[in-house]
Amino acid sequence: DAKTTQPPSMDCAEGRAANLPCNHSTISGNEYVYWYRQIHSQGPQYIIHGLKNNETNEMASLIITEDRKSSTLILPHATLRDTAVYYCIASDFGNEKLTFGTGTRLTIIP
Amino acid sequence: EAGVTQSPTHLIKTRGQQATLRCSPISGHTSVYWYQQALGLGLQFLLWYDEGEERNRGNFPPRFSGRQFPNYSSELNVNALELEDSALYLCASSLLRRDTEAFFGQGTRLTVV
Repeated sequence: DAKTTQPPSMDCAEGRAANLPCNHSTISGNEYVYWYRQIHSQGPQYIIHGLKNNETNEMASLIITEDRKSSTLILPHATLRDTAVYYCIASDFGNEKLTFGTGTRLTIIP
Repeated sequence: EAGVTQSPTHLIKTRGQQATLRCSPISGHTSVYWYQQALGLGLQFLLWYDEGEERNRGNFPPRFSGRQFPNYSSELNVNALELEDSALYLCASSLLRRDTEAFFGQGTRLTVV
């Protein structure tokens, strides 16, 4: 898995968009960008993944730069329930395992 | 559709004993992954099984072992328990293909006293 770099913590006001950055400058052509989140002591929850095109689902949007060296996860209207640790992973998952780093602790402020 | 289920939810063992943790994957998923998360720390990869075979193993001693059954469910066994084995053990399942996602269970909290 390519190594990813995320800020250790971020705050976001409730109702605003939360934008979580991730650097993966050594990502290879076969590696997808995955985002998971973990709410206190629960199992990680899958959010979204993509290869090079921007992706959107009911939870979030994933914006991947053209050179694929970084990405941003966007939670469009953050709620208090979005407070969690968010993990960005670059992996050729299916051929290799998911390797979790330290993630970003996102706190939604009322 | 049922998600990944793990049992038991909590387990308390004495140092030196053996622990067995169980995982049932999502129907149709052939791959099962095990992770260890010590309190306040990140997820550490333990084992990956697919179609009954061990595909990859993390940097853990041999007393951590497991198996996958023909119905794709899996067991994680930890022998000669040590206090440092106290952690949340998480299981995930997926299809074995690229461009797919893994889904996690809620974990087994193992406490070694």
